[in-house]
Amino acid sequence: NAGVTQTPKFQVLKTGQSMTLQCAQDMNHEYMSWYRQDPGMGLRLIHYSVGAGITDQGEVPNGYNVSRSTTEDFPLRLLSAAPSQTSVYFCASSYTQSSYNSPLHFGNGTRLTVT
Amino acid sequence: AQKVTQAQTEISVVEKEDVTLDCVYETRDTTYYLFWYKQPPSGELVFLIRRNSFDEQNEISGRYSWNFQKSTSSFNFTITASQVVDSAVYFCALRSGQNFVFGPGTRLSVLP
Repeated sequence: NAGVTQTPKFQVLKTGQSMTLQCAQDMNHEYMSWYRQDPGMGLRLIHYSVGAGITDQGEVPNGYNVSRSTTEDFPLRLLSAAPSQTSVYFCASSYTQSSYNSPLHFGNGTRLTVT
Repeated sequence: AQKVTQAQTEISVVEKEDVTLDCVYETRDTTYYLFWYKQPPSGELVFLIRRNSFDEQNEISGRYSWNFQKSTSSFNFTITASQVVDSAVYFCALRSGQNFVFGPGTRLSVLP
């Protein structure tokens, strides 16, 4: 099992550019999510999904879009990058529904810089 | 509303000292789960332990131990005889439904 695979590892964008962060998991997890990590603020939830075709907003969704066409993939799209989106992004997945005790499994993160 | 507080922003200890990382949570749910994660300098997030709200037994795993007290809504993490490799940011998290709520993290520096 590869677990949660997140690409790219690093990315530099200019203000206004768009890009997609890729996330895939091979554990058949229903729940997938995106977090951003900023100094002193811990991990903040951007968007999440509890299954294919179902997505919802988290704490800081503005400026980001997601889709979930398959159980395995959960890409995060930045439509028009802004310097405030400079951060480290983590994709994570877990079982849900009957297994709320399931921990989150994280990808290795993407360090995004917007200039 | 659910909330996790880790009041200690940064802690520094000398190798072989014991250190306790505090975690206080808020939830109105009777069923919930608590987690600790470690983020070493390399940046990945590593799951350490899970505890459910019905199990208040303390847990020990090697040099690590966890103390869960529902009466004070706390789930503290102790490292005994700390080592330089323990240097990391540690996150406490709460889950009572689909989503997880994370604390802001405690940065632990273990000095040789």
